[in-house]
Amino acid sequence: DQQVKQNSPSLSVQEGRISILNCDYTNSMFDYFLWYKKYPAEGPTFLISISSIKDKNEDGRFTVFLNKSAKHLSLHIVPSQPGDSAVYFCAASANFGNEKLTFGTGTRLTIIP
Amino acid sequence: DAGVIQSPRHEVTEMGQEVTLRCKPISGHDYLFWYRQTMMRGLELLIYFNNNVPIDDSGMPEDRFSAKMPNASFSTLKIQPSEPRDSAVYFCASRRRESNYGYTFGSGTRLTVV
Repeated sequence: DQQVKQNSPSLSVQEGRISILNCDYTNSMFDYFLWYKKYPAEGPTFLISISSIKDKNEDGRFTVFLNKSAKHLSLHIVPSQPGDSAVYFCAASANFGNEKLTFGTGTRLTIIP
Repeated sequence: DAGVIQSPRHEVTEMGQEVTLRCKPISGHDYLFWYRQTMMRGLELLIYFNNNVPIDDSGMPEDRFSAKMPNASFSTLKIQPSEPRDSAVYFCASRRRESNYGYTFGSGTRLTVV
């Protein structure tokens, strides 16, 4: 039972354009969401998060949008840069991040120069 | 801060052998997590500890897997006997309770069982 789903295993985007990565969840108890970025041979690193009391959180080129009614969140990267090529994992937690994280299967983003 | 340290980085073993993966969390972190990454399931939680006590081991696939945390600075994940389907990347992560930034992950151990 995959409670956090990333339905696109891969995505290719031209450098300078917007990258949009999507994530859906099924557990209505989730109230804190995070995105992690992973390079080959390294562990995932925290990128950005959002609490369910917000619908948008922005940090530089990265913005996360949350649609609670649709149980959907997305990560926007603009403009996309070659260094953004990585695997992106969506994660969710209950109790505002104080419970364990449940991860999706990841989306491999490739930025084309 | 050296981060979360995992060893070995790579492990190749024969089916039926015992495998032990090691993790040193960040000093002062209350929680330690073991995850396994596979193509089909992504990052799946195996077990986690709070203040060295196992809290949730529901993700441990079967009795062949066991994990211990004898003190705040060390944890092991053991597979005995190992099987080819155990081949994956195993990550250890730690966090402080007050942190809103999720976990800090180690670099992982790539396990190959032949």
